[in-house]
Amino acid sequence: SQQGEEDPQALSIQEGENATMNCSYKTSINNLQWYRQNSGRGLVHLILIRSNEREKHSGRLRVTLDTSKKSSSLLITASRAADTASYFCATDRSTDSWGKLQFGAGTQVVVTP
Amino acid sequence: GAGVSQSPSNKVTEKGKDVELRCDPISGHTALYWYRQSLGQGLEFLIYFQGNSAPDKSGLPSDRFSAERTGGSVSTLTIQRTQQEDSAVYLCASSPRDTLLYGYTFGSGTRLTVV
Repeated sequence: SQQGEEDPQALSIQEGENATMNCSYKTSINNLQWYRQNSGRGLVHLILIRSNEREKHSGRLRVTLDTSKKSSSLLITASRAADTASYFCATDRSTDSWGKLQFGAGTQVVVTP
Repeated sequence: GAGVSQSPSNKVTEKGKDVELRCDPISGHTALYWYRQSLGQGLEFLIYFQGNSAPDKSGLPSDRFSAERTGGSVSTLTIQRTQQEDSAVYLCASSPRDTLLYGYTFGSGTRLTVV
């Protein structure tokens, strides 16, 4: 079974609006990462948050992590049409830094002009 | 190279044939991972290589699947006697020693269609 579960499965918003998606996981982690995928091909790494961090920012992205609830959220502010993609959370459960990631099923985001 | 390179981009094969998928990781990246993604689904872990350690093969779905990594660089994923359920996009990724800092860099994938 997958470690991460994203919610919602799909999200449709207009340009300029904020997009929020959530990820829940089942076991303790070292870090949690978010990736974007365009057109069903290679994924692009967006941001990584460690288990001892609660919030992280990168440009228009804001990620939060609540280890007590085993959940994370990704916020995209002032969305653009170019943000249309699938977004995946991935968890690293390894005890060292060479872990394999387990991915969720993703949230499909559509941003309309 | 500048990124992770996968070949071929697309492969159509007849059921029962063997296929080989290739991955060229970023130079210097010690870790290499194979995942597959069925249509509209998340990524399913297949196998990963880390330096000279024995590979983690725990995700390979059957003994028809195998992978090797030669010289700590290029990797080949082989699927023998392909079945229609093997149709998917096969994604390769590599990372430096410390994934805590950098995450994975993915290739563009190989779309395999078994007819």
